[in-house]
Amino acid sequence: GDSVTQMEGPVTLSEEAFLTINCTYTATGYPSLFWYVQYPGEGLQLLLKATKADDKGSNKGFEATYRKETTSFHLEKGSVQVSDSAVYFCALSHYSSNTGKLIFGQGTTLQVKP
Amino acid sequence: KAGVTQTPRYLIKTRGQQVTLSCSPISGHRSVSWYQQTPGQGLQFLFEYFSETQRNKGNFPGRFSGRQFSNSRSEMNVSTLELGDSALYLCASSPEGGSSYNEQFFGPGTRLTVL
Repeated sequence: GDSVTQMEGPVTLSEEAFLTINCTYTATGYPSLFWYVQYPGEGLQLLLKATKADDKGSNKGFEATYRKETTSFHLEKGSVQVSDSAVYFCALSHYSSNTGKLIFGQGTTLQVKP
Repeated sequence: KAGVTQTPRYLIKTRGQQVTLSCSPISGHRSVSWYQQTPGQGLQFLFEYFSETQRNKGNFPGRFSGRQFSNSRSEMNVSTLELGDSALYLCASSPEGGSSYNEQFFGPGTRLTVL
């Protein structure tokens, strides 16, 4: 079945450092890919998405490119801030299955120190 | 527009009891999905409802059930609670079911503790 694998955390960075969180997926067909962020005590917020190969999603300085050849969707940010500290989830869903089902990775905790 | 709301935010129950959680989607959204979040298993899909019909179901026992009303509000029920049911239960709505291009908007969740 479909699955998503993320790098294990926690990831601890200093403010203004470069961030990469790796995400790879296994899926049939052409899924859509997402990054969600969860701040303490809150639900999930969509950070960015990509719906087809080579698409680049971007939002709030974060970027991720849908790489079909490597089945990857790595999250990057050039300069992190303390306010970026949160848990980040990579996820996929299938248009063809006609459902709102999201399959999530295990989540990666990011801690940014001033 | 108001976001997805979930009630109650916190619940404490004992083993063997049953519980009902409620979710009100964003106005105009017809698809509601439920997820269970635990430290060990992460985020797992429970079920999705669209136009009052369950369209998809995850791999959970029959003790987990749900329904959707004509106004798109949804409830999920867990009967005969077990300690392992302690989790954050998240509800998400989207404006049109059936398209992975649509963003799912998540509520803050209901934290269920089973003692």
